[in-house]
Formats: sequence, C-alpha cells, structure tokens
Amino acid sequence: RKEVEQDPGPFNVPEGATVAFNCTYSNSASQSFFWYRQDCRKEPKLLMSVYSSGNEDGRFTAQLNRASQYISLLIRDSKLSDSATYLCVVKGNFNKFYFGSGTKLNVKP
Amino acid sequence: NAGVTQTPKFRILKIGQSMTLQCTQDMNHNYMYWYRQDPGMGLKLIYYSVGAGITDKGEVPNGYNVSRSTTEDFPLRLELAAPSQTSVYFCASSPTGDTQYFGPGTRLTVL
Repeated sequence: RKEVEQDPGPFNVPEGATVAFNCTYSNSASQSFFWYRQDCRKEPKLLMSVYSSGNEDGRFTAQLNRASQYISLLIRDSKLSDSATYLCVVKGNFNKFYFGSGTKLNVKP
Repeated sequence: NAGVTQTPKFRILKIGQSMTLQCTQDMNHNYMYWYRQDPGMGLKLIYYSVGAGITDKGEVPNGYNVSRSTTEDFPLRLELAAPSQTSVYFCASSPTGDTQYFGPGTRLTVL
C-alpha cells in the first residue's frame, strides 16, 4: 500500500468554480501534512501546511481528518493561474516525507 | 538570498559513468533532502540530512551516496549510472524539518 494516495485527475473546471481534492495516508502516526503546488517542469512550492483541524488561506482551505486518515484541499473561485499539479505530502517517522503522485488541475476560461 | 541552487540543470550520462549533483542553500537551514521524481509520479526521498555530518537513507537510496560536510552543501553522488536513474532530481532544505524549500531541479538522462 502506498504511503500517500491521490486521485491523479485531471480535474477540468471553469473559472470561478469550486474544486476539492482528497488525499489519504497510511501511517496513523503521521503528524505533519502539507499541500504543495507544482507547475509543469518546475519545483514544488509550499501552498499550505495542514495542522490539527485544518486552516484557511484566502481562497484555499485545507482540512485534516485523522480518524479517516485523509486531508483535503478546497479551492474557491478558481483562477486560470491555479492550473497546476497539487501534491499531498505527509511527514512520517524519522523526518521522512512521503509525496502523493499529485492531482492535476486545469482551469478553463 | 539565492535560496536553494542546483547544478547542473541538465545532464546526459552513459551507463556506468559517475557524477555528482550539487546542491547549495544560503538560508542556514539544518535539514536538507534529495528527491527524485519520475514522469507522472510524486517525489521519492533518496537521502536526507538533519545537520552537518549527519545523513540518513530515505525511501530509494540504492545507487546513490551523499555527504554533508557543511551546512550549506549537500551533494548527491551517482556511481555506475543506470537507465533506471533517469529522472528529475530535486534538492530541498528546511529550517525546522517541516516546510521545505526546493531547488529548480536537475534533469538527468542515462543512456
């Protein structure tokens, strides 16, 4: 079983739409969770950290459900510039990070 | 601050050759990481370091070696390159071992 699993998409949505991605993780002892954004042929960049009950940053909301071992990312009022691949990242034991394969988002005019 | 820099940007190797991928950060971060990313896949941790002189294996360490003699530098060594090592390699650093800052990557092809 993979440490972190994501729906690869692509999610094709019109501008202004609300879209949500989920990610599941296998290690119940994981403590830190993150969403990174990766543009085509570029390095990942931190979008949000997700701690305890989740957090919000502008149009982006991340939630953590420890009981079901999943985290989610909600994007409201999608912009063309939100088109990218979103990587779910979980910090496991001994400072090791596990990345999902990413969910591709295409926002259309 | 330049952040995390990686050299080279691109490299083609022949099977059996060796090379070192360079990674330098100027943020005085203790934690540094090496990942590889195959097409359509997530990043996989190769090696990491929690400080100068300390390194440890990640998920996929076979075929690679690292050293960390200074806080700034974390080179990744490939001995006897194989086609399976064709990938994009990302170096990252972190001040606390949580949020990571990535370099621009090295695209390596082994033929």
